[in-house]
Amino acid sequence: KAGVTQTPRYLIKTRGQQVTLSCSPISGHRSVSWYQQTPGQGLQFLFEYFSETQRNKGNFPGRFSGRQFSNSRSEMNVSTLELGDSALYLCASSRSGTGAGETQYFGPGTRLLVL
Amino acid sequence: EDQVTQSPEALRLQEGESSSLNCSYTVSGLRGLFWYRQDPGKGPEFLFTLYSAGEEKEKERLKATLTKKESFLHITAPKPEDSATYLCAVRDSGGYQKVTFGTGTKLQVIP
Repeated sequence: KAGVTQTPRYLIKTRGQQVTLSCSPISGHRSVSWYQQTPGQGLQFLFEYFSETQRNKGNFPGRFSGRQFSNSRSEMNVSTLELGDSALYLCASSRSGTGAGETQYFGPGTRLLVL
Repeated sequence: EDQVTQSPEALRLQEGESSSLNCSYTVSGLRGLFWYRQDPGKGPEFLFTLYSAGEEKEKERLKATLTKKESFLHITAPKPEDSATYLCAVRDSGGYQKVTFGTGTKLQVIP
């Protein structure tokens, strides 16, 4: 069974640009969550999607947005990039996200560098 | 707000020297506690899910235990390949059961 895939794996952008990252969950998983990981802050929750609807949202500015398609694939977009957006962006999938103690499985991440 | 605190931040062990990592949590209602292992530049790799106090799970040299306020990850006779950052996370019992992560323990096992 294929795991969570994320594209691209590496990305270099300049300040002010925008970026779109993609995530394909494990087959049969309908919940997709996004996290930002930086050395100083650890894993910070961005948002979660289930059945094309945003179900949970972390404390990030509106420049960070996402969406989910009918096949459960998800994209996240960051507009007007800032230097502080440089991070590893991780996507995690689970079956429904609300089953008792449901486990999230992570993709390899997209490393974003903003210059 | 849910909180997860992991200690120590970093741990250096000699090969074969057993130890434990701690994860203390505050959550309105626990629906699951998770342990992950993360290698540099990679996504977290799932290790264990624990659901209720008193539960234990084992995998090779790792054993995870859970109480009402904390979880321990015991590493028995570690090898250099166990070197990684170990992350703890909790899922709460709120409406959509948000997941909160700790900042991790960076483990280095020296041959």
